[in-house]
Parts: sequence; C-alpha cells; structure tokens
Amino acid sequence: EAGVTQFPSHSVIEKGQTVTLRCDPISGHDNLYWYRRVMGKEIKFLLHFVKESKQDESGMPNNRFLAERTGGTYSTLKVQPAELEDSGVYFCASSRRRQETQYFGPGTRLLVL
Amino acid sequence: DQQVKQNSPSLSVQEGRISILNCDYTNSMFDYFLWYKKYPAEGPTFLISISSIKDKNEDGRFTVFLNKSAKHLSLHIVPSQPGDSAVYFCAASPPSGSARQLTFGSGTQLTVLP
Repeated sequence: EAGVTQFPSHSVIEKGQTVTLRCDPISGHDNLYWYRRVMGKEIKFLLHFVKESKQDESGMPNNRFLAERTGGTYSTLKVQPAELEDSGVYFCASSRRRQETQYFGPGTRLLVL
Repeated sequence: DQQVKQNSPSLSVQEGRISILNCDYTNSMFDYFLWYKKYPAEGPTFLISISSIKDKNEDGRFTVFLNKSAKHLSLHIVPSQPGDSAVYFCAASPPSGSARQLTFGSGTQLTVLP
C-alpha cells in the first residue's frame, strides 16, 4: 500500500508569489489533514477534510490560505500571496476513519524569501 | 499557549539503556495520546498510542505511561538502539466524537550513542 505522498518536496518562492502544495492520501482514506511546522516548533493543525468536505478549518492562519479536495481524493493547499512567516514544513496526513491513526506524508518544505 | 509540552528539547542515552521521554498537557478534554517518531526530511511516523481509560500500553521495546491526574505521559524505550535516534513528538486528541485533530508538542531529539 502506497503511503501519503506530497508534492513538491521543496519550494522556494519570493514574498508575494503564489504556491500550491499537493497531497495524495492513502487510497481509501476519507480523512485528510493538513499540518504545519514553523521554525522547528510544534506541528500545528491547519484543517481536516472528510471526503471533499471541510470538517474543521479552525487552524488556518488567515484567508491567504485556501485548501481544496475536489472529488474527495487528493488535496491542494494554496498560499496566495505568500508572506515570510509562511515558511515552514507543511505535512499532510490521512486516516481511513476519523478515530484511526493518522499517517503522515514526508512534507513540503516551503521557504518564502 | 501550548496545550502539549515537551520540556526537554534533547536527550542522549547510551545504547542498551532506557530512554524516557516526557510530555505534559493542560487540556483535560484530551482523551487519546500518541507518540510519533520523525527522522530528518521525513514525515512523522506513528509509534504508539494510549487511550485515557488506560494507564499503560506496551508494544515491544516501547511503553507509554499515562498519569491523568498529573496530566503527564511518558514514553519508555528499552533497550535503546542507535536506530531510535530521531525526534519524538507527543500528540493529543480530543474525544472521539469530535474531529481528531492532533495537538503536538515541540518534540524531543533523542540521540542513542553506540
């Protein structure tokens, strides 16, 4: 079974530009989560999809962040326009059911200059 | 304000000895706790979990202890191996009826010396 995959692995952009991160969850996993780790600190929850519906987006920092999961398969997280403080590692995780273990992808390392 | 705290950013242990990683939480609504291990340039990997109805869960060399009254949990690794060197994150989750968003600590870098 393939694990959670994320693309790109790294992204370096300038302040004000747009970046789109992609996450492909484990096949059959209805629950998809986005997390972020900034400056080596704790990993923080951003939002949770159940299939294509946003279940909880309480962790999204502001309206520059837009997450979608069309068709309930892969998800994208767009940052527009990017700011310096958006730099960090963005992780995606998925689980089959809400109460089950979340499996994480390798992350996308975003650097905003 | 951090609801899950790992106060030791790093820990060094000799191979074969016990590693004890600690975690404290403040939110009494958390009822499920997990430990994840993370190697550089990889995502966190699930290690072991414990429900609030238990005080101990064991899986091979890994044991997690939960002290609800103290809002404290710990991960014991016995015996420690060099391959255990990684960052260990403690995470907590609210009751199963709500969204299972995880709240993480800031991690502890474990180094097992050969």
